[in-house]
Amino acid sequence: GAGVSQTPSNKVTEKGKYVELRCDPISGHTALYWYRQSLGQGPEFLIYFQGTGAADDSGLPNDRFFAVRPEGSVSTLKIQRTERGDSAVYLCASSLRSDRGRADTQYFGPGTRLTVL
Amino acid sequence: AQKVTQAQTEISVVEKEDVTLDCVYETRDTTYYLFWYKQPPSGELVFLIRRNSFDEQNEISGRYSWNFQKSTSSFNFTITASQVVDSAVYFCALSELNTGTASKLTFGTGTRLQVTL
Repeated sequence: GAGVSQTPSNKVTEKGKYVELRCDPISGHTALYWYRQSLGQGPEFLIYFQGTGAADDSGLPNDRFFAVRPEGSVSTLKIQRTERGDSAVYLCASSLRSDRGRADTQYFGPGTRLTVL
Repeated sequence: AQKVTQAQTEISVVEKEDVTLDCVYETRDTTYYLFWYKQPPSGELVFLIRRNSFDEQNEISGRYSWNFQKSTSSFNFTITASQVVDSAVYFCALSELNTGTASKLTFGTGTRLQVTL
């Protein structure tokens, strides 16, 4: 079946602009995660959704970052007033579910490479 | 706090050599999962294995094998008879189930494996 898809694959924007990054999880997966990967580093957790609600947004770096998942499927990561330091690859992953006491395998999308000039 | 250390930044081997990638983790949780992912040059993270903290049996899958030792908090990954297609960055990751957000992955910084002819 289809894997996790992310659009766009590349996004170049200017400092101060607003961007939206989209993630379409694997069909039937109720848990969705966003990570950010800087050059030469491992992915860092940003936020996770179980269904429509953000169950943990402790990884969001500041209030310029926001994510939604209104119907429990597609998610959008929104970044306001972008800064050069936001440049990174933004990865989305999904899993069957995510409950305390259970860790289903996360399957990752190809990522969106964001460049802020 | 959870932490994953991959001390080997880069490893170069000649095809057909065996190679071991080290992973050391820190956690206060008694219940956790460990993962290995592969990130080829295309950029997409590919799931390789998931192991829970109660299962210390080593696992073999084709040319891949994993050695989990709770006594040393290590989860090492060995590729036997390496091939050029194994060239990638390999990430070890940890998920705590009782004290952390279920399924939130904490990644190491990765080990870049270069296999040459």
